[in-house]
Amino acid sequence: DVVMSQSPLSLAVTLGQPASISCRSSQSLVHSDGSTYFNWFQQRPGQSPRRLIYKVSNRDSGVPDRFSGSGSGTDFTLKISRVEAEDVGVYYCMQGTHWPRTFGQGTKVEIK
Amino acid sequence: EVQLVESGGGLVQPGGSLRLSCAVSGFTFRTYWMSWLRQSPGKGLEWVANIKQDGTEKNYLDSVKGRFTISRDNAKSSLYLQMDSLRVEDTAIYYCARDALTPPWGQGTLVTVSS
Repeated sequence: DVVMSQSPLSLAVTLGQPASISCRSSQSLVHSDGSTYFNWFQQRPGQSPRRLIYKVSNRDSGVPDRFSGSGSGTDFTLKISRVEAEDVGVYYCMQGTHWPRTFGQGTKVEIK
Repeated sequence: EVQLVESGGGLVQPGGSLRLSCAVSGFTFRTYWMSWLRQSPGKGLEWVANIKQDGTEKNYLDSVKGRFTISRDNAKSSLYLQMDSLRVEDTAIYYCARDALTPPWGQGTLVTVSS
């Protein structure tokens, strides 16, 4: 199975400051069809996970533009340009290129 | 409004069975691949199984193969997960979702396997 490794596992950020989370996969996530099926999810306390970013850099509907995704191959990054209080939660990366689809272990974001 | 509502979770002894259901509204269920996922403190998020629109293709996580069966009823816009020979390590919140994991997911249903 493809192993997804996130760093850091915990992040304390001052309101209004940027934050960055990295995710590395054990294999290339470029599919034979040319697409890279890599997603980011947010899970707020007490809620179900919610997809934020799909195919590396595409924001889902309703996701603020302070969230951005980038990367290629095996290395990916989620950036929050200015952290707000509602961004507190756990962020997961996920690959959908190889079966079984696998998630990272999660990065907990809190306010400093 | 898109809604997915899971039900059927509960407490069951090791070796027992449960059938989870997911009632869907707000989108054309029969046109989507659908998935079950689970989340536990020990293993985090896992993709359990998925099923094609007409039910002719199914994929399973290795650890549940032969014990879990995913199915669907397009007339009822419902997704199911039959779970047999349950193990302690199957304890988790189970979510249903469209296969691409497009938001939203359901709220989840808790399955606890314990003696």
